[in-house]
Amino acid sequence: DAGVIQSPRHEVTEMGQEVTLRCKPISGHNSLFWYRQTMMRGLELLIYFNNNVPIDDSGMPEDRFSAKMPNASFSTLKIQPSEPRDSAVYFCASSAHWGNTEAFFGQGTRLTVV
Amino acid sequence: GENVEQHPSTLSVQEGDSAVIKCTYSDSASNYFPWYKQELGKRPQLIIDIRSNVGEKKDQRIAVTLNKTAKHFSLHITETQPEDSAVYFCAASLFGNEKLTFGTGTRLTIIP
Repeated sequence: DAGVIQSPRHEVTEMGQEVTLRCKPISGHNSLFWYRQTMMRGLELLIYFNNNVPIDDSGMPEDRFSAKMPNASFSTLKIQPSEPRDSAVYFCASSAHWGNTEAFFGQGTRLTVV
Repeated sequence: GENVEQHPSTLSVQEGDSAVIKCTYSDSASNYFPWYKQELGKRPQLIIDIRSNVGEKKDQRIAVTLNKTAKHFSLHITETQPEDSAVYFCAASLFGNEKLTFGTGTRLTIIP
């Protein structure tokens, strides 16, 4: 398996534009997580899916952020409209649902909003 | 919800010496405690984990200890090497709940 795949790796966009980040989890994994990483706040969990269903979205900062998981092999995180303070590295991770197991992270998307 | 605190935020040790990073958690029901290593510009990767039914676990130069009563756990790296330089994150979760709460990270620098 190629691991968790995220796209794009880098995204530069202008303030006010819509941004869509994409994630393909490891095949067979039931749980998918979106994290945001910044120097100031570290690794923050934004939202977590189990069997494609959003379980906990309490970390989503504002209504400008939304996430979907239409099937077991694909998830998106959308920011609309984007703002400079959204600049961060966004990681997607997946884990097998056998109780507590390793979370495998993707390479991340470095988002810069100018 | 769970709160995980991690100390120190930065740590520098001479090559060959030991490094210790400590974390505390707030929810006594938490029972899974992984440690992740993140090299510069790369993704976090699991290096070791411990479940609440054991007090210590070792893997070569890395060990983790858990004190459930005090609600703290620690990462120990012995005989440190330059490639150990990275940011280390601790985390905690409840059994059956996949949600990990991460500490704020420790930037470890190994001085040659």
